[in-house]
Formats: sequence, structure tokens, C-alpha cells
Amino acid sequence: NAGVTQTPKFQVLKTGQSMTLQCAQDMNHNSMYWYRQDPGMGLRLIYYSASEGTTDKGEVPNGYNVSRLNKREFSLRLESAAPSQTSVYFCASSEAYRGRTGELFFGEGSRLTVL
Amino acid sequence: AQRVTQPEKLLSVFKGAPVELKCNYSYSGSPELFWYVQYSRQRLQLLLRHISRESIKGFTADLNKGETSFHLKKPFAQEEDSAMYYCALRRYGGSQGNLIFGKGTKLSVKP
Repeated sequence: NAGVTQTPKFQVLKTGQSMTLQCAQDMNHNSMYWYRQDPGMGLRLIYYSASEGTTDKGEVPNGYNVSRLNKREFSLRLESAAPSQTSVYFCASSEAYRGRTGELFFGEGSRLTVL
Repeated sequence: AQRVTQPEKLLSVFKGAPVELKCNYSYSGSPELFWYVQYSRQRLQLLLRHISRESIKGFTADLNKGETSFHLKKPFAQEEDSAMYYCALRRYGGSQGNLIFGKGTKLSVKP
């Protein structure tokens, strides 16, 4: 079982470059999330998608865009990368039951460095 | 405001000693709390949730509404418990609930 798969695992960008982080889950989950993890800051939610066709901003959405391509895939795009976006990015998914989000399943993370 | 506070960035104990990782929350209403763990070179994963009232890998956590706390405890720490631990609170509002994470506590268990 692959679970949640993120690509790429590592990426180095120059300031102003763009890139897309890809995420796919094979658990038939409705909800998907993008978090960033920074030292001393914990995990902060960037965007989430409660279900296919919907996306919502989290705590730190500025500088990012997302696309829920289908039920399986949820991508995160940096249009013009900045050094402040150097971080480890985690995709996660969860099932919803009775209107409540279940356990989050995480990908392995994508380490992004912006020079 | 909904908030999760983990006051310790790093907690270092010796093998066999008791360990308590602190978590305090701010939430109006009935909270739903979790502990997630990230072992070295592994994915972040759920350790336990308060509604289950379970013990996983010897860890327990009791919700104390009076003190707004959800501390994680283990009576005898093992070296394999060394990891990053995150306390999380389910956030309600918007189209779907999601989790607010604390900043995390790194637990180091020394031999």
C-alpha cells in the first residue's frame, strides 16, 4: 500500500522560479491537505480540500496555489518562489465520517530549498 | 482563539525514567485532541486520540478540561521512543474540520 505519495522528495529553486509539488493518495479519501513544517513552528496548514472540487485556505496560504485535480490528486504550486518558502512540505489525506475528519495519513515530505 | 501549546521544544530523559510531554489547548466547546509522532526518517503518524482512551506503545494521555491539558505520559521510557511528538486539536469551522498542531516536542531517550 503506497498510501500518500509526494513528489519530488527534494528540490532546490532559485528565487522567482516556479514549481509544483504533486500528491496522490490511494485510500479513496475525500479530504486532502498541504502542511509546511519549519523548525520551532511545527506544522502549519497551507491549503486543504474537503472534497473533490473544493479548496480552502489554511493558516499560511500566501504565495501558494492548489489544485484538486481529482479525488486522488492534490497539487501545491509556488508561482514565484521566495527564500521564506524554504521548508519541508507534507501532504496528508483523511476520510470524513459523520461530518468529521478522521485520522490524517501523511506523505514522506518534500524538502524545498529556495536560494 | 483555537490554539495548541507545547511548552518544551526538547525533552531529554534516561531509559527507564518516566516521561511526560505537555500539551495545553485553547478551545471553546468540546475539544478533540490527538498526539502524532514522527520517528527519524519515518512519516508523521497518529499515536493516539483522546476519544479512544487507549494506550499505544505504553503511552497514555488524559484530557483534563479544567486545566485545558492533554499531556502524554509513559511510565518507563525506551530508546525507541525518541522522536518528535506533536499535539493536535481538531478545528471546527468552514466546510470541514482540520487539525491545529502544536510546535512539537523532541523527545530524546538516552541509554
